[in-house]
Amino acid sequence: AQKITQTQPGMFVQEKEAVTLDCTYDTSDQSYGLFWYKQPSSGEMIFLIYQGSYDEQNATEGRYSLNFQKARKSANLVISASQLGDSAMYFCAMREDTGNQFYFGTGTSLTVIP
Amino acid sequence: DGGITQSPKYLFRKEGQNVTLSCEQNLNHDAMYWYRQDPGQGLRLIYYSQIVNDFQKGDIAEGYSVSREKKESFPLTVTSAQKNPTAFYLCASTLGDSRRNEQFFGPGTRLTVL
Repeated sequence: AQKITQTQPGMFVQEKEAVTLDCTYDTSDQSYGLFWYKQPSSGEMIFLIYQGSYDEQNATEGRYSLNFQKARKSANLVISASQLGDSAMYFCAMREDTGNQFYFGTGTSLTVIP
Repeated sequence: DGGITQSPKYLFRKEGQNVTLSCEQNLNHDAMYWYRQDPGQGLRLIYYSQIVNDFQKGDIAEGYSVSREKKESFPLTVTSAQKNPTAFYLCASTLGDSRRNEQFFGPGTRLTVL
């Protein structure tokens, strides 16, 4: 079974609008971390935000916030006030406490429309 | 500035040749990883190493080899046994085994087999 599932291959959003990128995960561990990365066309991977399984509050970093619903095993990324520079691939990832691997989803391509 | 360097940025190889991709980090991170990314796809783990002189196979290790003789270096060799090596290769590192530690990535190497 896939550890990380991103069901939206491509998304479009109007500039200045908010957008939600979906991520669901599968683990039997109680302790794990969830990450979102941005990959522009240049290829580098940029860390955006982290959510721990025991964190009581949803993580926020500037315009990025994570809608964490533990019971549903979902960790959706919300980007507020979209900018043209937000156009990129976005990857959700998970790290379980019981291992050293990071599991990545297949990514969502976000295009911001002027 | 601390970070991860990968060289070269672009690499061309003839069929049947081995080639080595460099990855160096000065972040004093314990764990290092190699991923392969095909166009429009997510990241697939090739090898990872948690400490010097130790490494583990990832999901697609066949046709690849690695070494970890120094903490800061984790070179990847793409051998002639790898049937379809044309891809984008990303090296990453992380501080320790805490689930909170995100991965830092290098800029990547694009390998093309001619």
